[in-house]
Amino acid sequence: TQLLEQSPQFLSIQEGENLTVYCNSSSVFSSLQWYRQEPGEGPVLLVTVVTGGEVKKLKRLTFQFGDARKDSSLHITAAQPGDTGLYLCAGGNTGFQKLVFGTGTRLLVSP
Amino acid sequence: DADVTQTPRNRITKTGKRIMLECSQTKGHDRMYWYRQDPGLGLRLIYYSFDVKDINKGEISDGYSVSRQAQAKFSLSLESAIPNQTALYFCATSVGREQYFGPGTRLTVT
Repeated sequence: TQLLEQSPQFLSIQEGENLTVYCNSSSVFSSLQWYRQEPGEGPVLLVTVVTGGEVKKLKRLTFQFGDARKDSSLHITAAQPGDTGLYLCAGGNTGFQKLVFGTGTRLLVSP
Repeated sequence: DADVTQTPRNRITKTGKRIMLECSQTKGHDRMYWYRQDPGLGLRLIYYSFDVKDINKGEISDGYSVSRQAQAKFSLSLESAIPNQTALYFCATSVGREQYFGPGTRLTVT
């Protein structure tokens, strides 16, 4: 069974701080996605990375896929209250679109 | 209108009752999924369907069944609900690697 562990589980910071969320596995994935979920809603895709070492930026968010394609990180610069939510990583395998979801990181950004 | 809808949004039921959660999509995607979400466990796959004639068990299918009535409709049933099935349930569709989620159904089994 493939597992994705996220750390930290919970993060409470002040507006303007930087943070990094980690997603780790002992398994290799062909792709890695990050989703954000807000209360009362389903997860929404932020980014997909497919190449080992790949880095993608989405405004203040930077996503990196590990060289060995077993881990990923999400870095947020100058966090804002609108970044508050549950962040989920999800690993995909070739051939079909079943995803393995991480355990989640709940982020709270206070003004 | 939302592309993926789920009904009901909230449900409280008693142990032993049969309950059905429904999912409809207007995205025209063939692939549909049912997940449950529990705190600290992320999303776990219950069942998935790649087209109307294709139904597959996920990692936690025991105690659940599904029906794919049409390309746009995928229902999840709990034949005899038990308290540890209390969770948030999500339906999703996909094309390529991206999955699109409904708003979820919060189910409480007492």
